[in-house]
Amino acid sequence: KAGVTQTPRYLIKTRGQQVTLSCSPISGHRSVSWYQQTPGQGLQFLFEYFSETQRNKGNFPGRFSGRQFSNSRSEMNVSTLELGDSALYLCASSSTANTEAFFGQGTRLTVV
Amino acid sequence: GQQLNQSPQSMFIQEGEDVSMNCTSSSIFNTWLWYKQDPGEGPVLLIALYKAGELTSNGRLTAQFGITRKDSFLNISASIPSDVGIYFCAGPGSTGFQKLVFGTGTRLLVSP
Repeated sequence: KAGVTQTPRYLIKTRGQQVTLSCSPISGHRSVSWYQQTPGQGLQFLFEYFSETQRNKGNFPGRFSGRQFSNSRSEMNVSTLELGDSALYLCASSSTANTEAFFGQGTRLTVV
Repeated sequence: GQQLNQSPQSMFIQEGEDVSMNCTSSSIFNTWLWYKQDPGEGPVLLIALYKAGELTSNGRLTAQFGITRKDSFLNISASIPSDVGIYFCAGPGSTGFQKLVFGTGTRLLVSP
């Protein structure tokens, strides 16, 4: 069974640009969550999608958004990038709520 | 909000030694998850705990769900160099959906 796949692995963007990250969950998993990891703040929850609906959202500005498609694949978008958005963005999939979450390798975003 | 504190923050040990780390919460958790993260990679789920007092093993790793439901412990026996990484505890957020709250992490270094 293939694991969680995130693309791309690395991205370099300029301040003010926008970026879209992609996540393909484990086959059969309908819940996809996104996390931001930085050295200073650790792992912070961004949002969760289940059956194409956002069920839960963390404390991040509206520049951070996401969506989920009918095949459970998910994308997250960050608009008007700031230097502080530089981080490892992690996607996790779960079969149902409150069960084990399995993470992808992450996308390393660097904003210059 | 919910907080998870892990200790110690870091450990530097000799190969072959046993390791213990713990995670405490300001509130009750009904699930505890332990992850290991290698540099530049996503966290890998090691052990999941669902019941107070539960003791679960995965090879040389053993984790326990504290009786108070506010703490959990992870032990690694006979450490080897590939145990190097950051170990995170995590538990479900209060919303009931797939939002994980992560601990601050314990960085483990193993000297051959």
